[in-house]
Amino acid sequence: AQSVAQPEDQVNVAEGNPLTVKCTYSVSGNPYLFWYVQYPNRGLQFLLKYITGDNLVKGSYGFEAEFNKSQTSFHLKKPSALVSDSALYFCAVRDMRDNDMRFGAGTRLTVKP
Amino acid sequence: GAVVSQHPSWVICKSGTSVKIECRSLDFQATTMFWYRQFPKQSLMLMATSNEGSKATYEQGVEKDKFLINHASLTLSTLTVTSAHPEDSSFYICSAKIPGGSYNSPLHFGNGTRLTVT
Repeated sequence: AQSVAQPEDQVNVAEGNPLTVKCTYSVSGNPYLFWYVQYPNRGLQFLLKYITGDNLVKGSYGFEAEFNKSQTSFHLKKPSALVSDSALYFCAVRDMRDNDMRFGAGTRLTVKP
Repeated sequence: GAVVSQHPSWVICKSGTSVKIECRSLDFQATTMFWYRQFPKQSLMLMATSNEGSKATYEQGVEKDKFLINHASLTLSTLTVTSAHPEDSSFYICSAKIPGGSYNSPLHFGNGTRLTVT
């Protein structure tokens, strides 16, 4: 069965610095990978996805993610963090054979001014 | 586009009562909706997959008689927590997939419902 792992519960960065939120995946076939963001007491908002093609995927709000097949990783990145980026971030994977999506445990990003 | 509305945003109920949560797709028809439960500081746990016009498919360990799911129309799925107890207190989130979308289509989420059982 497919799964994703987010090794960090918490990431703290200073405003203006680059940020990285890590995600590794495990699937038996080709992975469909997603990043979502959740603000307090809200649902999840889609940020970006990797399906195929370029390993660097660009998404909403200046976020991007790098797909690395050899390391089975899909880390979320942003060149310059904003305080408003502080939220809970989820990596997710969908296997071609499954209808649903599996989420990582989430990483809480705190950007300090 | 692809807006999912979830209602209510929060609800407080007494132990032993039932609570219904609605999930609506506002600008598309959703043949499939998903119900998740999220505990504090934890990830989303898939509870069940709701299919329009048929019985929901529940994940292992989720009580079907406790969490009743009805998907009577292409734009509405409901989750009823029956005989609620304090341990049912949680954040419940629904999501929907645009019909015909492939496996690379993202899910669209409602804003969640915070249930507190006293």
